[in-house]
Amino acid sequence: GAGVSQTPSNKVTEKGKYVELRCDPISGHTALYWYRQSLGQGPEFLIYFQGTGAADDSGLPNDRFFAVRPEGSVSTLKIQRTERGDSAVYLCASSPGLEAAYEQYFGPGTRLTVT
Amino acid sequence: AQTVTQSQPEMSVQEAETVTLSCTYDTSESDYYLFWYKQPPSRQMILVIRQEAYKQQNATENRFSVNFQKAAKSFSLKISDSQLGDAAMYFCAYRSHSSGSARQLTFGSGTQLTVLP
Repeated sequence: GAGVSQTPSNKVTEKGKYVELRCDPISGHTALYWYRQSLGQGPEFLIYFQGTGAADDSGLPNDRFFAVRPEGSVSTLKIQRTERGDSAVYLCASSPGLEAAYEQYFGPGTRLTVT
Repeated sequence: AQTVTQSQPEMSVQEAETVTLSCTYDTSESDYYLFWYKQPPSRQMILVIRQEAYKQQNATENRFSVNFQKAAKSFSLKISDSQLGDAAMYFCAYRSHSSGSARQLTFGSGTQLTVLP
């Protein structure tokens, strides 16, 4: 079946602009995670959803970052007033639930470049 | 908070040889999972192997095996009979299994593995 998909694959934007990054999880997966991976680093947690609600948003760096999952499937990560430091690969993952035993399946990521 | 440390930024191995990637972690929890993920240039993270902390037996998946030392908080990955397709960035990751604890993965900084023909 289809895996996790993310669009766009690459996004270049100017400092101060607003961007939206989309994640389509595997069908039926109730848990969805967003991570940010800076160059040469491991992914860092941003937020995760169980169904439509954000179960933990403690990784969001500041109030410029916001994510939604209105119907419990597709999720959108929104970044306002982008800064050069926001440049990174944004990874999305989904799993059948929140149980630790469930594997998280990752998408190919969106590379965001803020100029 | 949990931390994961990978002290080898880069490693290389000759094709068909064996290589071991190191990982240490810090946690006060007793119930957790440890993972090794592979990230090729395509950026897609692929699960290589998983270890449940309560299991004493080391996990194996074909050419991949781990050496899990719970008391030492060490979790190394051994790749036997290395193949050119094994070349990638490898990440060690931790996930809590304790009730009420966070469910996200905590990653190390990665080890770039090069396989020499």
